[in-house]
Amino acid sequence: IAGITQAPTSQILAAGRRMTLRCTQDMRHNAMYWYRQDLGLGLRLIHYSNTAGTTGKGEVPDGYSVSRANTDDFPLTLASAVPSQTSVYFCASRRDRGETGELFFGEGSRLTVL
Amino acid sequence: GQNIDQPTEMTATEGAIVQINCTYQTSGFNGLFWYQQHAGEAPTFLSYNVLDGLEEKGRFSSFLSRSKGYSYLLLKELQMKDSASYLCAGMDSNYQLIWGAGTKLIIKP
Repeated sequence: IAGITQAPTSQILAAGRRMTLRCTQDMRHNAMYWYRQDLGLGLRLIHYSNTAGTTGKGEVPDGYSVSRANTDDFPLTLASAVPSQTSVYFCASRRDRGETGELFFGEGSRLTVL
Repeated sequence: GQNIDQPTEMTATEGAIVQINCTYQTSGFNGLFWYQQHAGEAPTFLSYNVLDGLEEKGRFSSFLSRSKGYSYLLLKELQMKDSASYLCAGMDSNYQLIWGAGTKLIIKP
């Protein structure tokens, strides 16, 4: 089934630990995004990638890093997790950066940092 | 600055009609999106408007007025399964989506 797969679905993490959230898509989309969603706030863009080999900072990039070694994978790393990074993280993609078409979302990764 | 405003919560009755409003302010404009998000799930695409007017898709319709920076989502013949959050998002000149906080719609029997 074509789409976006995120892992893990849910994770509890001790503060200070390193964590990587995985995201893989099989739609051959060029543009990929990481958002966080917190109660009472809209989806906030953390990092994005317009094409393989390039990445950019979104609205809330501090404490997070990404890489885009190939078209399909776009992992998000928390180098040293802090409680304020407790959130639901969504990976998303669309065919191209300049396209106004639908943005597809993964099922989300619920992260709790204690 | 860029901003999307929509009501936090609305309540409606099964079988009725509800209109969810959204006002937007973006740097440049490349369209307005509506997404539906059930609790604990990912957002799913409902509609996209870039020209003024009404777009109808089954029980759901979306309206855009570019001059007023205003959109609404109209849901007809409400069903219990329509209980969800509805997210409004404007696309700016860099093709980035600016998201509202979402409107939680509660449907009562």
